[in-house]
Amino acid sequence: AQSVSQHNHHVILSEAASLELGCNYSYGGTVNLFWYVQYPGQHLQLLLKYFSGDPLVKGIKGFEAEFIKSKFSFNLRKPSVQWSDTAEYFCAVLIYNQGGKLIFGQGTELSVKP
Amino acid sequence: DTAVSQTPKYLVTQMGNDKSIKCEQNLGHDTMYWYKQDSKKFLKIMFSYNNKELIINETVPNRFSPKSPDKAHLNLHINSLELGDSAVYFCASRTAPTDTQYFGPGTRLTVL
Repeated sequence: AQSVSQHNHHVILSEAASLELGCNYSYGGTVNLFWYVQYPGQHLQLLLKYFSGDPLVKGIKGFEAEFIKSKFSFNLRKPSVQWSDTAEYFCAVLIYNQGGKLIFGQGTELSVKP
Repeated sequence: DTAVSQTPKYLVTQMGNDKSIKCEQNLGHDTMYWYKQDSKKFLKIMFSYNNKELIINETVPNRFSPKSPDKAHLNLHINSLELGDSAVYFCASRTAPTDTQYFGPGTRLTVL
């Protein structure tokens, strides 16, 4: 069965530290990849997405992610986090031949200390 | 001009009751979804409708019944509520099959 695995359950950083959140998926076919963010008490918002082309994609708020097909990975990065980045981050994979079903990772809680 | 809206935002009810959650999108999208987020924040798809037709039904108990009166609306009706139904339910919509899904604000359901 297809699955998405996020390596870290809870990450705690100080402001200005660099961030990398790992995401791996298990599916050999064509996929679209997403990172969503959920700020406390809010709904999911799209951070960035990869459909095709340049495997390094840039999103909002200084986030970027790199798709490495050989490793089935789509890691999220930010060079310098801010307190306002405190949130839950979800990696998601869209399987082409399953009606647009999104499969989510278990989420990574990011806490940034001011 | 909210894109995907849900009502109510909070729903507190007793076990055994029947309740509904409504979702509306004004994006002109053809496909809508219901997701359940459990207490550990894990998100799982429940249903998807495309132009009022059910296309995804993910082994959800038949106490849950989605209804789509038109392509802009997807409601979720839950019969005989159980404690384990307590969760946040998110509605989402998208246009093309592989396109980005846009999420509503969520409905926090608490079953006592």
